[in-house]
Order: sequence, then C-alpha cells, then structure tokens
Amino acid sequence: DIQMTQSPSSLSASVGDRVTITCRASQSILSYLNWYQQIPGKAPKLLISGASTLQSGVPSRFSGSGSGSDFTLTISSLQPEDSATYYCQQCYNNPTFGQGTRLEIK
Amino acid sequence: EVQLVESGGGLIPPGGSLRLSCAASGFTVSSNYMSWVRQAPGKGLEWVSIIYSDGRTFYADSVKGRFTISRDNSKNTVYLQMNSLRAEDTAVYYCARAITVTTNFDSWGQGTLVTVSS
Repeated sequence: DIQMTQSPSSLSASVGDRVTITCRASQSILSYLNWYQQIPGKAPKLLISGASTLQSGVPSRFSGSGSGSDFTLTISSLQPEDSATYYCQQCYNNPTFGQGTRLEIK
Repeated sequence: EVQLVESGGGLIPPGGSLRLSCAASGFTVSSNYMSWVRQAPGKGLEWVSIIYSDGRTFYADSVKGRFTISRDNSKNTVYLQMNSLRAEDTAVYYCARAITVTTNFDSWGQGTLVTVSS
C-alpha cells in the first residue's frame, strides 16, 4: 500500500495568514492526489483533485501543487470558516489517506 | 441533486455481523465507483472498499475476507456486509461516490456509526 504522510499534524494560524500543508507519498503517484476538508461532525468535502484542480464552488484562496511524491495545499488568506481537518488522499491505486492536519484559527 | 443516505449502523458484539446500506439519488450507482470509507472515533479517514462500474470489487487489507461490498441496481443502493466484526471496526462508515476510476470522492453521505462492543 502507498503510505501518505502529512505535516504538520496540527497548526494554529491567524485570520489572513498564508497556510501551507504538505503531503508526501511513499512512492511516486504522479498527480493522483486529492485534498479534502472535514469540519467536525460532518462528512469530508473534496477541495482539490489531480493535485491542483480546484473543485467547483471552492474558494480561490485554496490551491494545490506538486507531483511525484511531494504535494502542498495552500490557503492564501486564512478565513475563520477554514477551521477544519485537512486530508490528502492518493488515487494512484486503491485509495489511502494521510493522517490529517488539524487547522485551528487563533 | 446528488444524495447518499447511509443506514444500518448500530451496536453489535464482537464476532457479529451487520449490513450497511447506502441509498443513492440523483445519479446511478452502477455507472459510478462507489466506496465505503470509515473513521474511528477521533481518528482519520480509512478507505474500506470499492465497487467499480464494471462490478469489480476491492478491499483494504484490514477487512479483506470479512467485508463484502455489493450493489442492487434496481434499488440504486450499495451495501457493505460486515462479518466477524472486531472492536477495531468501530467507526463512522461513510458511503462515497467517485465518477472515475481515479477515486476523487466528490459526494459523501452523512455516515452511520457502527460500534462493536460487548
């Protein structure tokens, strides 16, 4: 199985900050990488597919980049509603998720 | 509107069996890639199983041989039969849809809680 490792596991940032979350795969997954946002008590929501394709309706402050085994999710200007846990997921073969990054607003 | 509604969760003793259902509306399950993803209390997401549009099925190693995914096209519903349940199977089970084999899960249900405990 392909292992996905996210960092950091948690972070705290202020409104307006630029936030970056990284995800590393245990082998090359080309661009088969998705990002999800999960608010407590809710189902995950797909934010970005194919490493960098923003889903319809997702604010443009979210962006994704990377290929091969190293990927990043960036929030350009943090908003209060971005408080959530973020997961990366590889879809190169049977899906596996990263352990999650919990984002708190200061 | 695409909607997924899970049901069938509950409290079950170790070694027991349970069948989860995922009723879909707004699209056809047989034309999509339908998965189950679970989340243990306070933990991250774990993919469990998938059924392809061509009927092929795949499982995580942690459930292989114990869980079976299936679908009923006439009811537009996906199922997860869970046998030989263990305490570590305790989780919220989500049904999720992917439109292509690259499993971008674009729609999710609200989840159903399975608790394995004596």
